[in-house]
Amino acid sequence: EDKVVQSPLSLVVHEGDTVTLNCSYEVTNFRSLLWYKQEKKAPTFLFMLTSSGIEKKSGRLSSILDKKELSSILNITATQTGDSAIYLCAVGTVYNDMRFGAGTRLTVKP
Amino acid sequence: DSGVTQTPKHLITATGQRVTLRCSPRSGDLSVYWYQQSLDQGLQFLIQYYNGEERAKGNILERFSAQQFPDLHSELNLSSLELGDSALYFCASSVMHSTDTQYFGPGTRLTVL
Repeated sequence: EDKVVQSPLSLVVHEGDTVTLNCSYEVTNFRSLLWYKQEKKAPTFLFMLTSSGIEKKSGRLSSILDKKELSSILNITATQTGDSAIYLCAVGTVYNDMRFGAGTRLTVKP
Repeated sequence: DSGVTQTPKHLITATGQRVTLRCSPRSGDLSVYWYQQSLDQGLQFLIQYYNGEERAKGNILERFSAQQFPDLHSELNLSSLELGDSALYFCASSVMHSTDTQYFGPGTRLTVL
Protein backbone atom coordinates (compact mmCIF):
# COMPACT_ATOMS: atom_id res chain seq x y z
CA GLU A 1 0.00 0.00 0.00
CA ASP A 2 1.26 3.46 -0.89
CA LYS A 3 2.36 5.57 2.02
CA VAL A 4 3.97 8.90 2.80
CA VAL A 5 5.62 9.33 6.18
CA GLN A 6 6.72 12.64 7.62
CA SER A 7 8.98 13.21 10.57
CA PRO A 8 9.06 14.60 13.08
CA LEU A 9 5.34 14.96 13.72
CA SER A 10 5.98 18.01 15.83
CA LEU A 11 8.87 20.40 16.31
CA VAL A 12 9.42 23.42 18.53
CA VAL A 13 12.31 25.77 17.81
CA HIS A 14 13.31 29.35 18.53
CA GLU A 15 13.55 32.17 16.06
CA GLY A 16 16.77 32.04 14.12
CA ASP A 17 17.12 28.27 14.30
CA THR A 18 17.44 26.10 11.20
CA VAL A 19 15.05 23.18 10.83
CA THR A 20 14.93 20.14 8.59
CA LEU A 21 11.68 18.35 7.93
CA ASN A 22 11.66 14.88 6.46
CA CYS A 23 9.37 13.04 4.10
CA SER A 24 9.79 9.44 2.97
CA TYR A 25 7.51 7.65 0.57
CA GLU A 26 6.61 4.29 -0.81
CA VAL A 27 4.43 5.12 -3.77
CA THR A 28 4.20 3.20 -6.98
CA ASN A 29 4.16 5.16 -10.24
CA PHE A 30 5.81 8.20 -8.65
CA ARG A 31 5.54 11.41 -10.61
CA SER A 32 6.23 14.31 -8.25
CA LEU A 33 6.69 15.31 -4.62
CA LEU A 34 5.13 18.49 -3.34
CA TRP A 35 5.51 20.49 -0.16
CA TYR A 36 2.72 22.63 1.24
CA LYS A 37 2.42 24.97 4.20
CA GLN A 38 -0.87 24.92 6.07
CA GLU A 39 -1.54 27.65 8.57
CA LYS A 40 -5.10 28.27 9.60
CA LYS A 41 -6.99 26.94 6.65
CA ALA A 42 -6.01 25.93 3.13
CA PRO A 43 -2.60 24.53 2.21
CA THR A 44 -0.41 26.84 0.19
CA PHE A 45 2.05 25.51 -2.34
CA LEU A 46 5.78 25.69 -1.59
CA PHE A 47 7.70 23.42 -3.95
CA MET A 48 7.26 20.68 -6.49
CA LEU A 49 10.10 18.24 -7.11
CA THR A 50 10.34 15.76 -9.94
CA SER A 51 12.99 13.61 -11.54
CA SER A 52 14.01 16.60 -13.65
CA GLY A 53 14.02 19.05 -10.77
CA ILE A 54 15.32 17.54 -7.58
CA GLU A 55 16.35 20.71 -5.78
CA LYS A 56 14.38 23.90 -5.26
CA LYS A 57 15.07 27.04 -3.27
CA SER A 58 13.02 30.06 -2.40
CA GLY A 59 14.38 32.54 0.07
CA ARG A 60 14.97 30.80 3.39
CA LEU A 61 13.27 27.61 2.25
CA SER A 62 14.85 24.86 0.21
CA SER A 63 14.00 21.28 -0.64
CA ILE A 64 15.79 18.29 -2.08
CA LEU A 65 14.42 15.07 -3.52
CA ASP A 66 16.43 11.89 -3.14
CA LYS A 67 14.90 9.42 -5.57
CA LYS A 68 17.31 6.70 -4.57
CA GLU A 69 16.33 6.93 -0.91
CA LEU A 70 12.69 7.73 -1.76
CA SER A 71 12.74 10.75 0.46
CA SER A 72 12.78 14.51 0.55
CA ILE A 73 13.80 17.16 3.03
CA LEU A 74 12.52 20.68 3.54
CA ASN A 75 14.97 23.08 5.11
CA ILE A 76 14.05 26.38 6.69
CA THR A 77 16.89 28.63 7.77
CA ALA A 78 16.72 31.62 10.14
CA THR A 79 13.22 30.62 11.21
CA GLN A 80 10.65 33.28 12.08
CA THR A 81 7.43 33.08 14.07
CA GLY A 82 5.57 33.37 10.78
CA ASP A 83 6.99 30.00 9.76
CA SER A 84 4.82 28.34 12.42
CA ALA A 85 2.48 26.04 10.54
CA ILE A 86 1.86 22.46 9.53
CA TYR A 87 4.09 21.41 6.65
CA LEU A 88 2.58 18.77 4.39
CA CYS A 89 4.39 16.49 2.00
CA ALA A 90 2.43 14.96 -0.86
CA VAL A 91 3.39 12.50 -3.56
CA GLY A 92 1.67 12.54 -6.93
CA THR A 93 1.46 9.55 -9.22
CA VAL A 94 1.35 9.26 -12.99
CA TYR A 95 -2.34 8.46 -12.58
CA ASN A 96 -2.90 11.86 -10.97
CA ASP A 97 -3.59 10.36 -7.56
CA MET A 98 -1.98 12.08 -4.57
CA ARG A 99 -0.96 10.76 -1.20
CA PHE A 100 -0.39 13.14 1.70
CA GLY A 101 1.69 12.63 4.78
CA ALA A 102 0.31 13.44 8.21
CA GLY A 103 2.31 16.64 8.32
CA THR A 104 4.90 18.17 10.63
CA ARG A 105 3.66 20.81 13.04
CA LEU A 106 6.36 23.46 13.38
CA THR A 107 6.20 25.98 16.20
CA VAL A 108 8.70 28.82 16.17
CA LYS A 109 8.98 30.66 19.49
CA PRO A 110 10.21 34.24 19.72
CA ASP B 1 -6.08 34.47 -1.87
CA SER B 2 -5.52 31.56 -4.24
CA GLY B 3 -8.30 32.52 -6.66
CA VAL B 4 -10.21 29.30 -5.94
CA THR B 5 -13.61 29.88 -4.37
CA GLN B 6 -15.71 27.43 -2.40
CA THR B 7 -19.23 27.71 -1.08
CA PRO B 8 -20.59 27.44 1.49
CA LYS B 9 -17.93 28.12 4.11
CA HIS B 10 -19.77 26.18 6.75
CA LEU B 11 -22.49 23.58 6.57
CA ILE B 12 -24.30 21.91 9.42
CA THR B 13 -26.65 19.06 8.68
CA ALA B 14 -28.04 15.85 10.11
CA THR B 15 -27.18 12.21 9.52
CA GLY B 16 -28.84 10.72 6.48
CA GLN B 17 -29.04 14.03 4.65
CA ARG B 18 -27.51 15.05 1.33
CA VAL B 19 -25.42 18.15 0.67
CA THR B 20 -23.70 19.77 -2.30
CA LEU B 21 -20.41 21.62 -2.07
CA ARG B 22 -19.41 23.99 -4.82
CA CYS B 23 -16.03 25.02 -6.19
CA SER B 24 -14.95 27.54 -8.81
CA PRO B 25 -11.37 27.09 -10.01
CA ARG B 26 -8.89 29.84 -10.74
CA SER B 27 -9.41 31.54 -14.04
CA GLY B 28 -7.73 29.46 -16.74
CA ASP B 29 -7.39 26.30 -14.67
CA LEU B 30 -8.97 23.25 -16.25
CA SER B 31 -8.41 20.74 -13.48
CA VAL B 32 -10.29 20.49 -10.20
CA TYR B 33 -9.42 18.24 -7.28
CA TRP B 34 -11.45 17.45 -4.18
CA TYR B 35 -9.92 16.60 -0.81
CA GLN B 36 -11.24 15.68 2.59
CA GLN B 37 -9.34 16.65 5.73
CA SER B 38 -10.31 15.20 9.07
CA LEU B 39 -8.43 15.06 12.35
CA ASP B 40 -7.91 11.32 12.29
CA GLN B 41 -7.32 10.77 8.56
CA GLY B 42 -5.37 13.83 7.56
CA LEU B 43 -5.70 15.12 4.02
CA GLN B 44 -7.20 12.57 1.64
CA PHE B 45 -7.51 12.91 -2.11
CA LEU B 46 -11.05 12.16 -3.29
CA ILE B 47 -11.38 12.80 -7.00
CA GLN B 48 -10.09 14.88 -9.91
CA TYR B 49 -11.81 16.32 -12.96
CA TYR B 50 -10.14 17.76 -16.00
CA ASN B 51 -12.09 19.83 -18.49
CA GLY B 52 -15.34 18.15 -17.55
CA GLU B 53 -14.13 14.57 -17.40
CA GLU B 54 -13.19 12.44 -14.42
CA ARG B 55 -9.44 11.99 -14.46
CA ALA B 56 -8.46 10.25 -11.24
CA LYS B 57 -10.15 8.70 -8.28
CA GLY B 58 -8.82 8.41 -4.78
CA ASN B 59 -10.48 7.39 -1.53
CA ILE B 60 -13.94 8.51 -2.48
CA LEU B 61 -16.89 6.68 -0.95
CA GLU B 62 -19.71 5.44 -3.15
CA ARG B 63 -22.05 7.79 -1.27
CA PHE B 64 -20.03 10.68 -2.67
CA SER B 65 -20.03 11.87 -6.26
CA ALA B 66 -18.73 14.85 -8.15
CA GLN B 67 -18.99 16.52 -11.50
CA GLN B 68 -17.43 19.36 -13.40
CA PHE B 69 -19.63 21.57 -15.52
CA PRO B 70 -18.95 23.24 -18.89
CA ASP B 71 -18.05 26.50 -17.15
CA LEU B 72 -15.46 24.42 -15.20
CA HIS B 73 -16.99 24.85 -11.79
CA SER B 74 -17.36 21.64 -9.85
CA GLU B 75 -19.74 20.21 -7.30
CA LEU B 76 -19.17 17.49 -4.73
CA ASN B 77 -22.31 15.69 -3.65
CA LEU B 78 -22.35 13.87 -0.33
CA SER B 79 -25.34 11.69 0.46
CA SER B 80 -26.58 9.49 3.31
CA LEU B 81 -24.32 11.50 5.55
CA GLU B 82 -22.75 9.90 8.60
CA LEU B 83 -21.13 11.46 11.64
CA GLY B 84 -17.73 10.42 10.29
CA ASP B 85 -18.21 12.57 7.21
CA SER B 86 -17.70 15.67 9.32
CA ALA B 87 -14.53 17.23 7.95
CA LEU B 88 -13.03 20.10 6.03
CA TYR B 89 -13.52 19.64 2.29
CA PHE B 90 -11.04 21.39 0.05
CA CYS B 91 -11.16 22.01 -3.62
CA ALA B 92 -7.95 22.73 -5.53
CA SER B 93 -7.30 23.66 -9.13
CA SER B 94 -4.42 23.46 -11.54
CA VAL B 95 -3.81 24.37 -15.13
CA MET B 96 -3.23 20.90 -16.51
CA HIS B 97 -4.36 17.41 -15.63
CA SER B 98 -1.07 16.25 -14.17
CA THR B 99 -0.28 16.57 -10.48
CA ASP B 100 1.48 19.87 -10.87
CA THR B 101 1.05 22.92 -8.69
CA GLN B 102 -2.39 22.97 -7.15
CA TYR B 103 -4.01 26.01 -5.61
CA PHE B 104 -6.37 25.30 -2.75
CA GLY B 105 -9.63 27.01 -1.98
CA PRO B 106 -10.53 28.08 1.58
CA GLY B 107 -12.51 24.90 2.21
CA THR B 108 -16.02 24.03 3.36
CA ARG B 109 -16.39 22.84 6.91
CA LEU B 110 -19.08 20.18 7.10
CA THR B 111 -20.54 19.20 10.44
CA VAL B 112 -22.89 16.23 10.57
CA LEU B 113 -24.95 16.02 13.76
